[in-house]
Amino acid sequence: DVKVTQSSRYLVKRTGEKVFLECVQDMDHENMFWYRQDPGLGLRLIYFSYDVKMKEKGDIPEGYSVSREKKERFSLILESASTNQTSMYLCASSSRQVSYEKLFFGSGTQLSVL
Amino acid sequence: GESVGLHLPTLSVQEGDNSIINCAYSNSASDYFIWYKQESGKGPQFIIDIRSNMDKRQGQRVTVLLNKTVKHLSLQIAATQPGDSAVYFCAENYSNTGKLIFGQGTTLQVKP
Repeated sequence: DVKVTQSSRYLVKRTGEKVFLECVQDMDHENMFWYRQDPGLGLRLIYFSYDVKMKEKGDIPEGYSVSREKKERFSLILESASTNQTSMYLCASSSRQVSYEKLFFGSGTQLSVL
Repeated sequence: GESVGLHLPTLSVQEGDNSIINCAYSNSASDYFIWYKQESGKGPQFIIDIRSNMDKRQGQRVTVLLNKTVKHLSLQIAATQPGDSAVYFCAENYSNTGKLIFGQGTTLQVKP
């Protein structure tokens, strides 16, 4: 089975801090995604990547950046955390060969910015 | 803009009954649809998917129906069990990029 691992289940940070959320997948998937999940808003796409060193903006990229130095790892960076970035962050991956739309998700990181 | 919506935020059913969760989508160019189940404290898990060249697809205890005429998608769960209690999301892909657009989710509550 595909395993997508997010480094932290819960994080508490202060306003203005730089925050790194890490995601690793073990199935050699080409595509990786970062979503945030908020009550009543569903899942919204922040950034995605189709290959190492590649990144594409999703629907809500403001305030975020990403890094994909290795195929299995996709990092989400909050350059200067703000309270409106308090949310559940979900990482996902998919295979270009099998079905690039079928995403496999990690368990999520609940980030609180105080 | 594009949107994917579920008709009801919460659905409560009796254990053993069939459940139907509905979803409306707005983009007629969408060609792929998928249902996810999210249990408390976990990430979304794949349930079933369907492409736009199909009207119906069945899995184990689940069926997805696609009505392209009215841009409507539904998930049917047979003989609902307590373990089916979760939030269910529909999602569509219309840009052929793998970028899924998710609905807001329906919470399914199963009463014993």
